[in-house]
Amino acid sequence: QSVLTQPPSVSAAPGQKVTISCSGSSSNIGNNYVSWYQQLTGTAPKVLIYDNDKRPSGIPDRFSGSKSGTSATLGITGLQTGDEADYFCGTWDSSVSAWVFGGGTKLTVL
Amino acid sequence: EVQLVQSGAEVKKPGDSLRISCQASGYSFAGSWITWVRQMPGKGLEWVGRIDPSDSYTSYSYSPSFRGRVIISSDNSISTAYLQWNSLQASDTGMYYCARHDNINAYRYLQYWGQGTLVTVSS
Repeated sequence: QSVLTQPPSVSAAPGQKVTISCSGSSSNIGNNYVSWYQQLTGTAPKVLIYDNDKRPSGIPDRFSGSKSGTSATLGITGLQTGDEADYFCGTWDSSVSAWVFGGGTKLTVL
Repeated sequence: EVQLVQSGAEVKKPGDSLRISCQASGYSFAGSWITWVRQMPGKGLEWVGRIDPSDSYTSYSYSPSFRGRVIISSDNSISTAYLQWNSLQASDTGMYYCARHDNINAYRYLQYWGQGTLVTVSS
């Protein structure tokens, strides 16, 4: 059981938009930065979004992040087949002094 | 260029000991925390624990799920972090990633990741 809650799967057609939610509590999302990680099949995770809504250099602006209260959202527009991957949210949890992840969301581009 | 290069895949028997490594380059090793993450086959990411190489003797912490089962350490002279088991169990099977925390604020995000080390424990 993950500390952060994500939907197990989402799907959409190429060119469409999808959002992935991540729900937590005041001890984690509510008072700390949220980051998002993309894991393509057979590869290591890679950061997509940090500080709730910032993109590292090289990450296209099709990817966006937002946070409100104890929830965060990853948005992906103009879906491409290459976006098929598992997506994880993560943050620090101040009450247990531990990094916590969501259970992951598998994105299928139909 | 920041790189984290992990040691190769391991196949061990229950009860064996093991130490896997994560060698950093491209930055000041003591300047950023290193975290270890487990991913069991077909599952999500689990935080194992972290170490602050600038104070490796006292500044480390573990997830309750892993405390007492693993040891995280570092050797600053060779910019390397380690994850160690004294007695492996079949349930330790999985992919283990090291990751470097942001060097400005360690609580922000896991900025760089190693390529992963597959640990298989089977009799």
